[in-house]
Amino acid sequence: QQKVQQSPESLSVPEGGMASLNCTSSDRNFQYFWWYRQHSGEGPKALMSIFSDGDKKEGRFTAHLNKASLHVSLHIRDSQPSDSALYFCAASGYNQGKLIFGQGTKLSIKP
Amino acid sequence: EAAVTQSPRNKVAVTGGKVTLSCNQTNNHNNMYWYRQDTGHGLRLIHYSYGAGSTEKGDIPDGYKASRPSQENFSLILELATPSQTSVYFCASGEGTGRDTQYFGPGTRLLVL
Repeated sequence: QQKVQQSPESLSVPEGGMASLNCTSSDRNFQYFWWYRQHSGEGPKALMSIFSDGDKKEGRFTAHLNKASLHVSLHIRDSQPSDSALYFCAASGYNQGKLIFGQGTKLSIKP
Repeated sequence: EAAVTQSPRNKVAVTGGKVTLSCNQTNNHNNMYWYRQDTGHGLRLIHYSYGAGSTEKGDIPDGYKASRPSQENFSLILELATPSQTSVYFCASGEGTGRDTQYFGPGTRLLVL
């Protein structure tokens, strides 16, 4: 079983709408959580990190972490066509450089 | 921004042949990583390195070897390529803890016939 599970597999949101992506981990050793974004034909790029319980906001992007339930989410408000991409959730433990990635959510923003 | 380059960008190999994928980073990061990306599996770690001369097994190391001859370079070697190794391979570099960003290269698309 994959240690980091993402949902949904794919998501279609109208331009200007709110996109919500979810991620649940099964390993309580995970302490650091990341969202990476990959546009078609490119390598993944770090979007934002969250290490403490609660919300973290960066522009149109808000990440939420609940360590007790091992759940992290990403919310994108005022979605733009350029937000169309594959989004990965990733997690890591203390003193580990290794990241464990989820299987990804494909986000499509419809004009 | 961190720069990670990969070569070749595309490769067609025959079953049983040897394949070497190369990665170079110019940011003096200690750690380097090799992942493969397959639909439905996300990114899976094959091998990683803490610095020149070191290689460590990741989550799916079978059928792969790695070499880190210098701080800048990290290679992935398929001694006997199989069709199941057809995939997109990404190299990444980072400072070395879970709090640090990993910077990815553009990927190598490998087809094993």
